[in-house]
Amino acid sequence: ETGVTQTPRHLVMGMTNKKSLKCEQHLGHNAMYWYKQSAKKPLELMFVYNFKEQTENNSVPSRFSPECPNSSHLFLHLHTLQPEDSALYLCASSQELGVYTEAFFGQGTRLTVV
Amino acid sequence: AQTVTQSQPEMSVQEAETVTLSCTYDTSESDYYLFWYKQPPSRQMILVIRQEAYKQQNATENRFSVNFQKAAKSFSLKISDSQLGDAAMYFCAYRTGSQGNLIFGKGTKLSVKP
Repeated sequence: ETGVTQTPRHLVMGMTNKKSLKCEQHLGHNAMYWYKQSAKKPLELMFVYNFKEQTENNSVPSRFSPECPNSSHLFLHLHTLQPEDSALYLCASSQELGVYTEAFFGQGTRLTVV
Repeated sequence: AQTVTQSQPEMSVQEAETVTLSCTYDTSESDYYLFWYKQPPSRQMILVIRQEAYKQQNATENRFSVNFQKAAKSFSLKISDSQLGDAAMYFCAYRTGSQGNLIFGKGTKLSVKP
């Protein structure tokens, strides 16, 4: 257990549905991240938040909408997704954005779009 | 562009033997941090070992050690006395100070034979 909790663990949704992924960290970290992990591909950074402010949007389609109400919580709102969006979505946090800070990961949400 | 390359999609080792996983990276930065993460079937990404680029001494953590060749931009992971619990996906990752984002390789799937 790394202190980063993601819910739900599994999610199946239709292309017209709206759902949200939740990430919570109890480590007192200031930076939080969303990554997408697809088969046969490296982890792709999606969004970065630092002190609740978005610092990076890695050209992610607008059907993915992040929200960071405070430094402990991060959401990923999903709507009108495509089957190719099926993947493991990982949340991570770190004390800060600096190079020498360790990132702690949650167990991910396995998303299937049907 | 910063990239991380893991040339071995799959590796296999006999229990109690030693195995080395390869990783190369490409960067023009002088200040960066290198990591090996382990992802077991539980999907939790767990930090195995890390190496600061400015340190010449190779990092070690119990049975895990790295061979860091800065000039060659190589960062291999050696697992000694392999155990069944070491079976997992292993990801090499790189982090710079400019943005602090983690860049991952595609991973190496390690199997441990009893």
